[in-house]
Amino acid sequence: KAGVTQTPRYLIKTRGQQVTLSCSPISGHRSVSWYQQTPGQGLQFLFEYFSETQRNKGNFPGRFSGRQFSNSRSEMNVSTLELGDSALYLCASSNEGANVLTFGAGSRLTVL
Amino acid sequence: DQQVKQNSPSLSVQEGRISILNCDYTNSMFDYFLWYKKYPAEGPTFLISISSIKDKNEDGRFTVFLNKSAKHLSLHIVPSQPGDSAVYFCAASAPGGSYIPTFGRGTSLIVHP
Repeated sequence: KAGVTQTPRYLIKTRGQQVTLSCSPISGHRSVSWYQQTPGQGLQFLFEYFSETQRNKGNFPGRFSGRQFSNSRSEMNVSTLELGDSALYLCASSNEGANVLTFGAGSRLTVL
Repeated sequence: DQQVKQNSPSLSVQEGRISILNCDYTNSMFDYFLWYKKYPAEGPTFLISISSIKDKNEDGRFTVFLNKSAKHLSLHIVPSQPGDSAVYFCAASAPGGSYIPTFGRGTSLIVHP
């Protein structure tokens, strides 16, 4: 069974640009969550999608957005990038009602 | 306001000894607790969990203890091995909704040979 796949693994952007990150969940998993990891801040919840609907949202500005497609694949977008957006962005999938998340390896974003 | 706190950013232990990683939480609605392990350049992987109806859960070398009155849980690794060197995240979730866990900031464990 393939794991959670995130692309791209690494990317460098400049301030003001936008970025789109992609996540393919484990087959059969319909819930996809996104987290931001920065040094010393742990994993901060961005949003969760289920059946193409955003079901939960964390405390991030509107520059952070996402969507989910009918095949459960998800994308997140960050517009007008700031230096502080440099982080590891992690996607996780789970079965409905499951407590355990399966994470991808993450997309490392560097904003210059 | 951090609802899940891991107050030790790092921990160094000798191989073969016990590693104890601590976690405190403030939200009394949390009823399910998990530990994840993360190696560099990889995503976190689930390690062990415990429901609030229990006070201990064991899986091989890993044991999680929950003290609800103190709102405290700990992960014990016995014996510690160099391959256990990783960042350990404590997480907690509340009932209802989609069980989105709240994570702590992590503790970096280094096990010396």
